[in-house]
Amino acid sequence: NAGVTQTPKFRILKIGQSMTLQCTQDMNHNYMYWYRQDPGMGLKLIYYSVGAGITDKGEVPNGYNVSRSTTEDFPLRLELAAPSQTSVYFCASSQNQPQHFGDGTRLSIL
Amino acid sequence: AQKITQTQPGMFVQEKEAVTLDCTYDTSDQSYGLFWYKQPSSGEMIFLIYQGSYDEQNATEGRYSLNFQKARKSANLVISASQLGDSAMYFCAMREERNTGNQFYFGTGTSLTVIP
Repeated sequence: NAGVTQTPKFRILKIGQSMTLQCTQDMNHNYMYWYRQDPGMGLKLIYYSVGAGITDKGEVPNGYNVSRSTTEDFPLRLELAAPSQTSVYFCASSQNQPQHFGDGTRLSIL
Repeated sequence: AQKITQTQPGMFVQEKEAVTLDCTYDTSDQSYGLFWYKQPSSGEMIFLIYQGSYDEQNATEGRYSLNFQKARKSANLVISASQLGDSAMYFCAMREERNTGNQFYFGTGTSLTVIP
């Protein structure tokens, strides 16, 4: 049982580049979430989804976009990478509670 | 105002002793959930314990218990019989229910070091 799978695990981007962080879950959970964790800090919610075709903003959505075309997948898109987006990104899913987290993507923008 | 406040950036505990990690929360909702997660140095987030706002008894999961004081809006984590493997960051989190789905808020964490 894979749970929540995030790819890639590490990535270095140049300022202005774009990329998509992939997240997939095999637990048939309706809820999916994207968080960022800056050094020494807790997690902040970027976007979340309550089901296929439905997404909504969290605390820190600026600079990101998401889509949810299937129950399993919830990709996070960075259109114009900025140094402030250097962080560790976590995807999570849940049906009720608790949330199940992926292992994270460490992203550096240089 | 911060939704979740963890006032202890770092804590030390002797092996086999108990330790309490503090968490206070801010919400005007009647229905909400409180969580604790452990994040070891390897980086993954590990769920420890959950308390619903309507649960009358404090949650317990093995060596973990949640001291829920609703009137004080506190949800402290108690770890009994600390082990070296308990050394990690610990995050308190709250779920608020919205029409559009659940919003989650995390504290800044407490770094726990277990001393042999």
